[in-house]
Amino acid sequence: QKEVEQNSGPLSVPEGAIASLNCTYSDRGSQSFFWYRQYSGKSPELIMSIYSNGDKEDGRFTAQLNKASQYVSLLIRDSQPSDSATYLCAVKSRRDDKIIFGKGTRLHILP
Amino acid sequence: ETGVTQSPTHLIKTRGQQVTLRCSSQSGHNTVSWYQQALGQGPQFIFQYYREEENGRGNFPPRFSGLQFPNYSSELNVNALELDDSALYLCASSLGGRSQETQYFGPGTRLLVL
Repeated sequence: QKEVEQNSGPLSVPEGAIASLNCTYSDRGSQSFFWYRQYSGKSPELIMSIYSNGDKEDGRFTAQLNKASQYVSLLIRDSQPSDSATYLCAVKSRRDDKIIFGKGTRLHILP
Repeated sequence: ETGVTQSPTHLIKTRGQQVTLRCSSQSGHNTVSWYQQALGQGPQFIFQYYREEENGRGNFPPRFSGLQFPNYSSELNVNALELDDSALYLCASSLGGRSQETQYFGPGTRLLVL
């Protein structure tokens, strides 16, 4: 079982709609979870971090964490063409404090 | 802009050669982590340097080595290059060693091994 799993996509969402990105992780004791955005040819940029069960909102972005289900998601409201990118889920391993990334989900916002 | 810089931006090497990549951390940050990102993959942790000492290592062979300098800038050295070493190499700067949470990535160095 891979440590951090994401659907590779592409996920196509109409402009103005809600984009929903999902991630599952295998280390039940993980405490810290991150979402990064990566434009093609660029480096990852931190969007959100979340540490507790529930929702965390920042502007158009909402991160959701369910530790019992080992599931973390990112919702993007009012999707814009500029949101088209690869979204990387990252989890901090309890075992060794290393941050482990998923392969990313490619998101395409349709104008 | 994160304030993290990397050089060079692009590099072409041949199999068997050696390469050195450089990273300058964000002002005030004492920790640098290096990642390898192959095409279509997420970043893979290589190692981390905290206050000039290696502070954790991923599943990479010993031919991947590094240094951190007193000003907290860092180098990644790769010996005996293999074709599979072709990737985007990212450094991430942070404060506080392995307890740190927030990392700021540099623009990366794209390495092509022929």
